[in-house]
Amino acid sequence: QKEVEQNSGPLSVPEGAIASLNCTYSDRGSQSFFWYRQYSGKSPELIMFIYSNGDKEDGRFTAQLNKASQYVSLLIRDSQPSDSATYLCAVNRYKLTFGTGTQLKVEL
Amino acid sequence: GAGVSQSPSNKVTEKGKDVELRCDPISGHTALYWYRQRLGQGLEFLIYFQGNSAPDKSGLPSDRFSAERTGESVSTLTIQRTQQEDSAVYLCASSSETGGSGANVLTFGAGSRLTVL
Repeated sequence: QKEVEQNSGPLSVPEGAIASLNCTYSDRGSQSFFWYRQYSGKSPELIMFIYSNGDKEDGRFTAQLNKASQYVSLLIRDSQPSDSATYLCAVNRYKLTFGTGTQLKVEL
Repeated sequence: GAGVSQSPSNKVTEKGKDVELRCDPISGHTALYWYRQRLGQGLEFLIYFQGNSAPDKSGLPSDRFSAERTGESVSTLTIQRTQQEDSAVYLCASSSETGGSGANVLTFGAGSRLTVL
């Protein structure tokens, strides 16, 4: 079992819709959870992180964490073509471990 | 510096040669990570430094790979006797957190693209 699992996609959503990206992790001792965005040919950049069970909102982005289910998600509201990228989930215990990413395509 | 700086940005080498990749983290960042990203793939953890010591080097793929960090600053990743499968982008990231339960927010450099012919 991979430490951090994500569906590789691509996930296609129409402009203005809500994009939902999911991630599961195997280490129950994981303590903090991150979403990074990576445009093609560029380095990852942090979108947001979450520690506690529940939702955390930042602008159009909402991270959701359920430690009992070992599940993290990222919702992007009012998706824009500029949101088209690969979204990487990362989990931290003693080091930051990344999933392989989900490719999101926002279509006009 | 203002960001994480990596050099060279591009390196083309012949199979069997040694290469050195350099990372200059954000000033004051105690944690430094190296990841490898092959084309179309995710980030593969290589090694993590806290200060000058490496608590976790479990991701180094073989004994041809080594890394060091000095002065709690610059780090060098060395690949000896390069193979074609070493071709990838090598990403360095740094963090001001000490790991463990910390937020460990990483800032990435632009990467060093290595091509082994």
